[in-house]
Order: sequence, then structure tokens, then C-alpha cells
Amino acid sequence: DIQMTQSPSSMSASVGDRVTITCRASQSIGSWLAWYQQKSGKAPKLLISRASTLQSGVPSRFSGSGSGTVFTLTISSLQPEDFATYYCQQGNSFPRTFGQGTKLEIK
Amino acid sequence: QLQLQESGPGLVKPSETLSLTCSVSGASISDSSSYWAWIRQSPGKGLEWIGSVYFRGSTHNNPSLKSRLTISIDTSKNQFFLKLRSVTAADTALYFCARVTTGFDAFDIWGQGTMVNVSS
Repeated sequence: DIQMTQSPSSMSASVGDRVTITCRASQSIGSWLAWYQQKSGKAPKLLISRASTLQSGVPSRFSGSGSGTVFTLTISSLQPEDFATYYCQQGNSFPRTFGQGTKLEIK
Repeated sequence: QLQLQESGPGLVKPSETLSLTCSVSGASISDSSSYWAWIRQSPGKGLEWIGSVYFRGSTHNNPSLKSRLTISIDTSKNQFFLKLRSVTAADTALYFCARVTTGFDAFDIWGQGTMVNVSS
């Protein structure tokens, strides 16, 4: 199985901050990487697929980059509604696997 | 627009079988550009992919569950199903169904989730 490791596991930031979350795969996954946002008790929401393709309706302050084994999710200017938990997920091979999550809290 | 809705018992006894249905509306489950998945989240934990099913019935299952797991699809009802046998407390989780668009291999549409507790 491909292991996905996110860093940090949690972080605090302020509205307006630029935030970067990193996801590392245990082996190369090309660009088969997705990012999700989850708010408490709700279904995850797909933000980015294929490492950098922004889903329709997702604000442009979200961006993704990377390939191979290292990927990043960047939020350019945090908004109050962005405080949530973020997960990466590899779509390169089965079984599909997720990172452990990064909880983004208000400073 | 496409919507997914999970249904099934909220309480299952240990050693019994957990059975869930995902009903798809707003699009055909037979669309060859999509396939379908189950994902779960234990309380306070992260996301775990359970398995995926294609409209012709082929599946990919999580090896950690494989011996207990059956995922199936009924295109005439626009539904797909999860059966997990011999459940324990470790199977207590919020269960989601989701769509995957081929070529992106990400879960782009999710149901709201259904909580299943395993308890006597």
C-alpha cells in the first residue's frame, strides 16, 4: 500500500495568512493526488484533483502543486470559512489511501 | 444535479452483517465515465477507503477488509451496496458513498454519510 503522510498534523493561523500543507507519498504517484476539505460531521469536499486541477466552484485562493512523491496545498489568504481539516488522497493505485489529515485552527 | 444518499441500520450487533445502500439520483449509475466507492471514518479519526465498484460489477476492495467485504451494484435501481460481515466495535464509523470520475480518480461527489454503531 502507498502511505500518505501529511505535515503538519495541526496548525493555527490567522485570517489573511498564507498557509501551506505538505503531503508525501511513500512511492511515486505521478500527479494522482487529490485534496479535500472536511468540516466537522460533514462529508469531505473535493478541492483539487490531479495535483493541481481546481474543482469548479472552489475559490482561487486554493492551489495545489507537486508530482511524484511531494505535494503541497496552498491557501493564499485564509478566510474564516477555511478553518477545517484537510486530507490528501492518492489515486495512483489500489488500495486508495488518504493522509492522516491536517487540522487548521484559528490563531 | 447528481446526489448520493446512504441508507441502512444505524445499529448492528457484533458478529452480524452491516448492510448499506447508496442511492444515486440525477445521473445514471451506468455512466462509463464514473465509478462508485465506499469510504468510512471512525469517530475522531481519518478517512479509510473501503472499496469501489464499476457499473459492470467489477470491484476493488481494501485488502484489510477483503475477506469480510462485498460491494455490489444494481444498475436497474441506480444503487450500489456494501455488506461487511462479522463486524466488531472497530467497524463503528461514519460511512460515506461517493462518485469517482475516471481520469481524475478523486471522490468528487459524496453522500452526507450514515453513522453505524456496532454494539450489543
